[in-house]
Amino acid sequence: EVQLVQSGAEVKKPGESLKISCKGSGYSFTSYWIGWVRQMPGKGLEWMGIIYPGDSDTRYSPSFQGQVTISADKSISTAYLQWSSLKASDTAMYYCARQLGSLLTGPTFDPWGQGTLVTVSS
Amino acid sequence: QSALTQPASVSGSPGQSITISCTGTSSDVGGYNYVSWYQQHPGKAPKLMIYDVSNRPSGVSNRFSGSKSGNTASLTISGLQAEDEADYYCSSYTSSSTFYVFGTGTKVTVL
Repeated sequence: EVQLVQSGAEVKKPGESLKISCKGSGYSFTSYWIGWVRQMPGKGLEWMGIIYPGDSDTRYSPSFQGQVTISADKSISTAYLQWSSLKASDTAMYYCARQLGSLLTGPTFDPWGQGTLVTVSS
Repeated sequence: QSALTQPASVSGSPGQSITISCTGTSSDVGGYNYVSWYQQHPGKAPKLMIYDVSNRPSGVSNRFSGSKSGNTASLTISGLQAEDEADYYCSSYTSSSTFYVFGTGTKVTVL
C-alpha cells in the first residue's frame, strides 16, 4: 500500500524553528514528486512547493519562496518542510502528497499524508 | 496567481445530481487538461476524485465525473449520497510561475 506518514502535531513560539517530515512507503520514493500544501484554520488549500527526491529538484510557489525550505533524504524515503523563524500566521495544517505525473502535468496529488498541525503561539 | 473560483456551497437531496463549477483563465483551466478534483471530509486529508479533467482513480465511484468547457471545469456528482457531504476543491496546472493553483472550495450539503 502506498502511504505517506507525517510527523506529529507541533506547538511552537514565534521566532522558533521547525522541521516536519513526511515518510513515504510502498513505492519508489525517488521516482515521484512530493508536494506540500497548507490549510489555514477554516480555509482552503494552498500549494506551497514540490520536490523530486531523486535529485532534490525543488520548486516553490512565489507565495512561499523564502518563507519555507523543502528538502528530502532519499536514503530514508522522507521529505521535509522547515521554517527558520515561525510566525503566528504559520499556524495551519500542513499536508504532503505524492504527485502522480510529471511536474508539468499536475497537480495530481495521490495519496496525501494525514497532515501535521502546526500551532504557533506565544 | 489568484485561486480558481468555485461556488461557496452547493446542496442537493439524496439521489439527485449536483454540479460544482471551477472557473479560471486561459493560463490555467482553459489552457491545459490538467484539472483535478479533491474531496475533503471534516478533519480528514483531501482525497483525489478526478484527474486530467475527467479521469477517475481506481476505487472512486463512477457517480463522480468531470468535464471542462473553455475556462470552466465542472465536477458532477450523480445519485447524491449522505457520504458525499464534504468540501470539494478543484486544482489546475498554470503557466504562471506558481505551477499549480487550487480553487476556493465548495461545501456540498446533502439535504
